[in-house]
Amino acid sequence: KAGVTQTPRYLIKTRGQQVTLSCSPISGHRSVSWYQQTPGQGLQFLFEYFSETQRNKGNFPGRFSGRQFSNSRSEMNVSTLELGDSALYLCASSFFGSGYGYTFGSGTRLTVV
Amino acid sequence: QKEVEQNSGPLSVPEGAIASLNCTYSDRGSQSFFWYRQYSGKSPELIMFIYSNGDKEDGRFTAQLNKASQYVSLLIRDSQPSDSATYLCAVRAGGAGGTSYGKLTFGQGTILTVHP
Repeated sequence: KAGVTQTPRYLIKTRGQQVTLSCSPISGHRSVSWYQQTPGQGLQFLFEYFSETQRNKGNFPGRFSGRQFSNSRSEMNVSTLELGDSALYLCASSFFGSGYGYTFGSGTRLTVV
Repeated sequence: QKEVEQNSGPLSVPEGAIASLNCTYSDRGSQSFFWYRQYSGKSPELIMFIYSNGDKEDGRFTAQLNKASQYVSLLIRDSQPSDSATYLCAVRAGGAGGTSYGKLTFGQGTILTVHP
């Protein structure tokens, strides 16, 4: 059974650019969440999608957005990149929601220069 | 006050000892509690989840929950060097299982080192 797949694994972008990250959840999982992990702030919740609807959103600026497709695949977009956006972005999926815990993907390491 | 706080660590224990990791949370409405393990350079991996007060055992791992004290812990018996990792406590508000949903709020993590 394939796990959660995130692409790309590594990304280097310049300040002001935008970036799109992709996540394919475990087959059958309908809930996808995104987290940002940094050494200083730890793991912080970005948003959660279930059946193409955003159900929860964390305290991030509007530059961070996401969407989910009918096949449960999800993308997140960050516009007007800032140096502080450099982080590991983790996608996690579960069948219904986080009731039984999420399975995380390997993450996308974003570096903004 | 942070929503989820873990003992700062790092925690160092000898091989074969019991490692005790602690976590407190501020939201009394929290219903589901999770422990994740994260090896350096890897993504978090779910070890255990617990919903009800008391103990839940899975192999060498025991999760303990005390909702009145807003406290959850993870015990690792017979610690092995391969257990050396960062352990993350995560808390979710709302009901358990079913169609429930909600964000996970993570603690900062406790670094555990098991030395031979």
